[in-house]
Amino acid sequence: EPEVTQTPSHQVTQMGQEVILRCVPISNHLYFYWYRQILGQKVEFLVSFYNNEISEKSEIFDDQFSVERPDGSNFTLKIRSTKLEDSAMYFCASSELHSNQPQHFGDGTRLSIL
Amino acid sequence: DQQVKQNSPSLSVQEGRISILNCDYTNSMFDYFLWYKKYPAEGPTFLISISSIKDKNEDGRFTVFLNKSAKHLSLHIVPSQPGDSAVYFCAARDNYGQNFVFGPGTRLSVLP
Repeated sequence: EPEVTQTPSHQVTQMGQEVILRCVPISNHLYFYWYRQILGQKVEFLVSFYNNEISEKSEIFDDQFSVERPDGSNFTLKIRSTKLEDSAMYFCASSELHSNQPQHFGDGTRLSIL
Repeated sequence: DQQVKQNSPSLSVQEGRISILNCDYTNSMFDYFLWYKKYPAEGPTFLISISSIKDKNEDGRFTVFLNKSAKHLSLHIVPSQPGDSAVYFCAARDNYGQNFVFGPGTRLSVLP
């Protein structure tokens, strides 16, 4: 069964540094998402992406964050200047369509900011 | 702002018995609901969904019930198996948005 893959599985970065988290969504999916889960807290929506542009974003997704689909397969999340509170699991998800379609998640990237 | 609540952080059930996981929501605009299962070190895995035009959806051992007037849904797993031990998340979305609002999760332990 096709799956969403994320790399790296664990990223350790110094505070203030830029980090890029990578995702390969399922190939025929059109909608892409990033979520995060801070340790001990719930999964939170960050951003959705369709047709090469952001279609929706949450309050968490401020100017420090950006997303890109640099080619036909990758979907990336960039955090420009990381803060300690950015430490979390970051999940990428994709769905074939938008309406009433489940989102399929990758296994996440654990981001640790030192 | 807890639009989706799962008031039981954990639940233990004997193997072979029924597991009932509950979820409550506050936003009356939510019209599509999903249950995800999550094992440690893995991403959430989609289990079952229900749209607001239905009150029940069944898939094998998993059944989701939706009570719109009470803004309540539940996931029934029967019979429960040890491999069902995981954290279960309820998620909801309104028709205007694209993101899902997740509940905090319930950790299910199925005891052999």
